[in-house]
Amino acid sequence: AQKITQTQPGMFVQEKEAVTLDCTYDTSDQSYGLFWYKQPSSGEMIFLIYQGSYDEQNATEGRYSLNFQKARKSANLVISASQLGDSAMYFCAMREGWRSGNTPLVFGKGTRLSVIA
Amino acid sequence: GAVVSQHPSWVICKSGTSVKIECRSLDFQATTMFWYRQFPKQSLMLMATSNEGSKATYEQGVEKDKFLINHASLTLSTLTVTSAHPEDSSFYICSAMWGSTEAFFGQGTRLTVV
Repeated sequence: AQKITQTQPGMFVQEKEAVTLDCTYDTSDQSYGLFWYKQPSSGEMIFLIYQGSYDEQNATEGRYSLNFQKARKSANLVISASQLGDSAMYFCAMREGWRSGNTPLVFGKGTRLSVIA
Repeated sequence: GAVVSQHPSWVICKSGTSVKIECRSLDFQATTMFWYRQFPKQSLMLMATSNEGSKATYEQGVEKDKFLINHASLTLSTLTVTSAHPEDSSFYICSAMWGSTEAFFGQGTRLTVV
């Protein structure tokens, strides 16, 4: 079963508008972390935002915010005031069981965001 | 912040040869590093977990004899693609955790086998 599901292969957004990228996850762990990364065409993985399963408030980092709905197991990324430079691939990822040791991130299939001038 | 450096950024090799990719943690000690592979327009798939001083743990379907991982020090993990073939052409990227909430990635290596 997919641990991380990103249902939007591609998204378009007008410059200066806000956009929401969807992510749902599946875990039976109580302790887990959710991450969003941006991957431009260069391939580098750029960390955007993190949400811990015990965090009561939604994470925010500048123009990025994470809409965390624990009961629905969703962790959508909201990008406000989109810029042309935001065009890239966006990956949602989860880390389970981190309290018991080093565990890897598991990634969704990604969403390609295109910002239109 | 913590940085992970990966080298080379890209490499072209002939079929049948071996290629070594290095992943270094520059300002922290990484007892565990992770190696991912990414095919074009696809997601990052975990290949193996590299543990300092012990054998790597490979994901199902990943050939351990083909993808040799060595983690001889707390700052260096290497991935060697042995007897490379065109189907091994891919983007390989390493990662190390900093604490529980931060994952740092190398720049990635684009391998093309001709």
